[in-house]
Amino acid sequence: DAGITQSPRHKVTETGTPVTLRCHQTENHRYMYWYRQDPGHGLRLIHYSYGVKDTDKGEVSDGYSVSRSKTEDFLLTLESATSSQTSVYFCAISDKGTGGPNGYTFGSGTRLTVV
Amino acid sequence: GENVEQHPSTLSVQEGDSAVIKCTYSDSASNYFPWYKQELGKRPQLIIDIRSNVGEKKDQRIAVTLNKTAKHFSLHITETQPEDSAVYFCAASMDNAGNMLTFGGGTRLMVKP
Repeated sequence: DAGITQSPRHKVTETGTPVTLRCHQTENHRYMYWYRQDPGHGLRLIHYSYGVKDTDKGEVSDGYSVSRSKTEDFLLTLESATSSQTSVYFCAISDKGTGGPNGYTFGSGTRLTVV
Repeated sequence: GENVEQHPSTLSVQEGDSAVIKCTYSDSASNYFPWYKQELGKRPQLIIDIRSNVGEKKDQRIAVTLNKTAKHFSLHITETQPEDSAVYFCAASMDNAGNMLTFGGGTRLMVKP
């Protein structure tokens, strides 16, 4: 077990509805990240957190918000889902900005489809 | 901010041949360059990384080279095997606390038996 779990693994939602994805870690790592993966774009950073209640925007943050009320949980919310947010979402953790000896550890991903 | 370009987007090789994937980055302050492998339907996993005080690093059949002057780095896989088939991502960052990785667009490597 990599010490990081994402839920749900798959979700289909309708345009305009709010959606929350959860990332849970058991490693007590300080840094947590949300990326989206789309063909041809690699992994693009949405938001990240460097501690409880400390978050900041990434490259593609429009339409997304995050919260981190506990070290172990990092939530990603799509306030009003759009079809352009159909993607695979990965959470990652590290004990240092770029990761210590083992770099980032990624969750298994959430496949979100907005119809 | 940092921009990372990765080439080629797809690469097909015969089993036993070598594969090379190249990345360029834009921020001369970047000094940490990891490579991730993502098998179909799985999470990306770190396979090798290099820091700017090193020009080359090797781990069995994989190696990474870095040219800081030209701002490019490459992944080399020798004696490819079918299980090397995956998507590979390069990334770059300043290796300081709080700095996050910027990823390249990925290379789909197919190793034909």
